Amino acid sequence: NAGVMQNPRHLVRRRGQEARLRCSPMKGHSHVYWYRQLPEEGLKFMVYLQKENIIDESGMPKERFSAEFPKEGPSILRIQQVVRGDSAAYFCASSPPATGYQETQYFGPGTRLLVL
Amino acid sequence: AQSVTQLDSQVPVFEEAPVELRCNYSSSVSVYLFWYVQYPNQGLQLLLKYLSGSTLVKGINGFEAEFNKSQTSFHLRKPSVHISDTAEYFCAVRKDTGRRALTFGSGTRLQVQP
Repeated sequence: NAGVMQNPRHLVRRRGQEARLRCSPMKGHSHVYWYRQLPEEGLKFMVYLQKENIIDESGMPKERFSAEFPKEGPSILRIQQVVRGDSAAYFCASSPPATGYQETQYFGPGTRLLVL
Repeated sequence: AQSVTQLDSQVPVFEEAPVELRCNYSSSVSVYLFWYVQYPNQGLQLLLKYLSGSTLVKGINGFEAEFNKSQTSFHLRKPSVHISDTAEYFCAVRKDTGRRALTFGSGTRLQVQP
């Protein structure tokens, strides 16, 4: 039973390029969360998605960031025109459906983005 | 909105000594509480969680935590640490209604010395 998969594990981009981060939830999980961890800080919530729907994007920056979770395939976090301040570890978490607020979120290994 | 405070950014401790990592939260509604551990360059692993019932929660790797509603605390403890416990520990909360997102503290780095 594979856990949450994220790829790539490390990503280097130059300023102005696009970054695409992928997350495959655990089997049977239909809820996906994205969090960002800046150096020496805790994780900050970005977005919560269910299949084909964005449920809560209150933590997403207003510009350049977008997320999707299509019916088929992994969830994608997309950062356009990256800047040095986007350098961080991006974690995906998944949880099973219909478990309510007592759900446990299971985290992937993260993608470490470095913007040069 | 809820918030989480981890007062100690670093806790050095000798092997086989007891340890307590402190976590305080603030929220105007009931919350669920979690402790996660992060080993270097890895993701977060759930140590334990408090949802309801007994205020003393036992988790993996010999850790336990006690929920204290009056003091709004959820401190993590282990009676005897090992070198392998060296990691970053995060306390997190989630409201029992509304947003499902976890709110994390800034983390405590546990450094176990031989």
